[in-house]
Order: sequence, then structure tokens, then C-alpha cells
Amino acid sequence: AQSVAQPEDQVNVAEGNPLTVKCTYSVSGNPYLFWYVQYPNRGLQFLLKYITGDNLVKGSYGFEAEFNKSQTSFHLKKPSALVSDSALYFCAVRDKGNNRLAFGKGNQVVVIP
Amino acid sequence: GAGVSQSPSNKVTEKGKDVELRCDPISGHTALYWYRQSLGQGLEFLIYFQGNSAPDKSGLPSDRFSAERTGGSVSTLTIQRTQQEDSAVYLCASSLAFGADQISIYFGEGSWLTVV
Repeated sequence: AQSVAQPEDQVNVAEGNPLTVKCTYSVSGNPYLFWYVQYPNRGLQFLLKYITGDNLVKGSYGFEAEFNKSQTSFHLKKPSALVSDSALYFCAVRDKGNNRLAFGKGNQVVVIP
Repeated sequence: GAGVSQSPSNKVTEKGKDVELRCDPISGHTALYWYRQSLGQGLEFLIYFQGNSAPDKSGLPSDRFSAERTGGSVSTLTIQRTQQEDSAVYLCASSLAFGADQISIYFGEGSWLTVV
């Protein structure tokens, strides 16, 4: 069965510093990988996805993620964090033979002014 | 509509009562999902509908939970005899069934259920 691990509960970063949110996954075949963001009292918003091709994927709001097959990772990154990036971030995986997304438990990101 | 629409946005109910949560997917999306997000937890898959195929109900936590999708569009998630542990955000999502964008799943704002 597919699964996702987000090892850190909370990530604290100073405004203007680089932000990294870690994600590792497990699937039986080739993965489809996703990042979603959830702001307080809101639903999930799509940030970016990896399907195939270039391992570096660029998404919304200046975020990017790098697919690393050997490490089964898909870490989310942003070069310079903003206070408005403070939110809950979810990594998700879907394998090609399955219709459902498996989510990690989420990472709370706190950007300190 | 432009996005996935869910109602009610907030619901407070007494323990033992039944509740219905509604989801209106993005127009043209034939795949529809229900997920549950409990406080401090990740997203738990509940059920998946795809066109006229039999739904994947493998995530429903008990027989108090059921869902239907009428006419291949609007879906209703029903929780019977609600318990306090049912308190959570119930998220609906939809996606295209075919084509390059079938793998992108779009979420609604959620229905926040509180059982008192």
C-alpha cells in the first residue's frame, strides 16, 4: 500500500530564510507526488505535483519540490520564506494503479517575522 | 461552479443524531472523493466514486457512515447516530477521470462537524 511520511511535526523558520518541508514516500510502482497547503480554517489548496520528467517541479507561491527516486523523497522548498507561508503542508502520493491519494500527517510551518 | 462546493460549512449536532454533508464537485469531474481530517491528524480516505462504477468504500470507518452520488454529480455523506469521535473536518474532492489532468485532485473548503 502507498504511504507518506512527514517526519517533522513543526518547522520553524525566520522570514527570509530558506524553507524545507520533508517528505518520503512508499509505493509499489512509479509515484505521482503532490504537495497541498492548508491555511487556518480552510480547505486544501494544490501547490504542485510530480508526474514524470524533470525532477525539479515548480509550483504556486514560489514553492518547488525535488523528486529523488533513490531516496524516495519529495521535499518541498522555498528559497525565501514569508510570514504568509505559515500554514499546514501535506505531502501526498498516488501510484499509477490506484485512484486515491495517501496523505502524510502534515507539517505545521511557522515563519517568524 | 468554479470549485468544489461543500455544505454546510459548519455543523454542530448532538450525539446520536444523524447528519448529512453535501458535496458539489467541479463541473465535468467524474471522480469524487471524501476524506476526513481529525484534529492533529492527517487526512483519512473514506470513499471514492468514479462514474458509474461501484464506489470504493474501503475507508469508511463503520457502518454508521454511508455515501451516495446521484446522477454522477452531487454526493451526500451521511453519518448515522453520531458519536463525539466523529467530530472532524470532512473534505470532498474531485478530479477528471481521463486525460492529463486526471491525476490532479481539487478539494473543497470542508464541512466542520462538531458532535456535542
